[in-house]
Amino acid sequence: AQTVTQSQPEMSVQEAETVTLSCTYDTSESDYYLFWYKQPPSRQMILVIRQEAYKQQNATENRFSVNFQKAAKSFSLKISDSQLGDAAMYFCAYRRSMNRDDKIIFGKGTRLHILP
Amino acid sequence: EAGVAQSPRYKIIEKRQSVAFWCNPISGHATLYWYQQILGQGPKLLIQFQNNGVVDDSQLPKDRFSAERLKGVDSTLKIQPAKLEDSAVYLCASTLTRTDTQYFGPGTRLTVL
Repeated sequence: AQTVTQSQPEMSVQEAETVTLSCTYDTSESDYYLFWYKQPPSRQMILVIRQEAYKQQNATENRFSVNFQKAAKSFSLKISDSQLGDAAMYFCAYRRSMNRDDKIIFGKGTRLHILP
Repeated sequence: EAGVAQSPRYKIIEKRQSVAFWCNPISGHATLYWYQQILGQGPKLLIQFQNNGVVDDSQLPKDRFSAERLKGVDSTLKIQPAKLEDSAVYLCASTLTRTDTQYFGPGTRLTVL
């Protein structure tokens, strides 16, 4: 069975600094999708970034980028120039395929605090 | 574009009572999901609809939970009777068919006393 592990329950970073959130996963599939979701205190979860396993290039979205290490089954999220609005729970997630029958599996999350 | 709507936002009930949650997905989104998010954990899928048909309800505790999406638009999730361990946030999400971006609603926080 696929699993997603986030080993850092909480992290803090100074505003304008860079922080990296860790995620590892376990799967026997060769093609799959990985995601980072952000859940601010209002609890509306939004997609931050996604990575297709067949792509070697790491995904980037403005200040957000990932370090995808397929062999190590590692998928970390780097947030550059941290802003107060980045404070939230961040969930790493895995999906075997885009087939509608495949569910997204979420990790337990990392709570990120931004220090002014 | 309006987002996924959920109501109520908060609900407090006593154990053994019944409760229902409502979700209105983004217009045109055929796929709708209900998740349970227990404090300190990530969301867990309870049930997935494609239009008004159930795609996956393998993790839905069917002895007490039920869900329907009669006209392929709005959906309701019901718990009857509630247990203490049902205290959680219940999230609704929707997607266009075969896309990966799930749009989430604000959730309903349920407290069972």
